[in-house]
Amino acid sequence: DAGITQSPRHKVTETGTPVTLRCHQTENHRYMYWYRQDPGHGLRLIHYSYGVKDTDKGEVSDGYSVSRSKTEDFLLTLESATSSQTSVYFCAIRDVANEQFFGPGTRLTVL
Amino acid sequence: GQQVMQIPQYQHVQEGEDFTTYCNSSTTLSNIQWYKQRPGGHPVFLIQLVKSGEVKKQKRLTFQFGEAKKNSSLHITATQTTDVGTYFCAGVGYSTLTFGKGTMLLVSP
Repeated sequence: DAGITQSPRHKVTETGTPVTLRCHQTENHRYMYWYRQDPGHGLRLIHYSYGVKDTDKGEVSDGYSVSRSKTEDFLLTLESATSSQTSVYFCAIRDVANEQFFGPGTRLTVL
Repeated sequence: GQQVMQIPQYQHVQEGEDFTTYCNSSTTLSNIQWYKQRPGGHPVFLIQLVKSGEVKKQKRLTFQFGEAKKNSSLHITATQTTDVGTYFCAGVGYSTLTFGKGTMLLVSP
C-alpha cells in the first residue's frame, strides 16, 4: 500500500509521558498527514506536511506537534500524553492524483 | 470550516439487499472522494468525483455527485459479505480532506 509504514503499531503509555509516532514512506510523496480515528468521530486531521520542514495544523492539533526533517519521515509527538489522546492514529500520503493512501495505523492507549 | 455529514451512521442488511449511504456538505465541494475501511483495517481509496452530476460505477458500486456539488451518494447493489466495513466520504480541499463520520455496513449471510 504505497510503501507506508507506521511504528510502533501498538503502544500503551501513562498519562504525562511523551510519545512519538513515526510514519515512513518509500515513494517520495510531498504531502503527508496524521489523523486520529475515534468511534463516532470518523477521521480527524491532526497535522499535515507539504514538504520538508513545512507543516500545518489540522482540525484537532492541540496537544500534538509534528516534525518532518526528511521527505520520507513524518513524526507525530504527544509532549505529555493524556487519556483523551487514546485513539488509533493513521498516517497518510497524497499522490499526484490527489488520492490518499493510509498506513496500517497505530493503536495508542494512555492510562 | 467545511463540514461533511454522512447518513446513516449504521446499516445492517441481509446479503443480496441493496445499500445506500449519503453525504452532504455545508459548502460547495470541488471534488469528493470515497473510502472504505474494513474492520480492523485502514481506509482505502475507492473513487474521486469531480464533475457536477457525475455518476461512476465500479462493478456493484455506483457513485453519484449532486448537480450542486454539495451532496454525493454511494449505492451498492446486491450486497455481499465482502462489502462489510465503514464507508467514508471526504470533501477535497486545497491540501486536505474533510471526512464524514462514515456509514458502517454490516451484511448478514
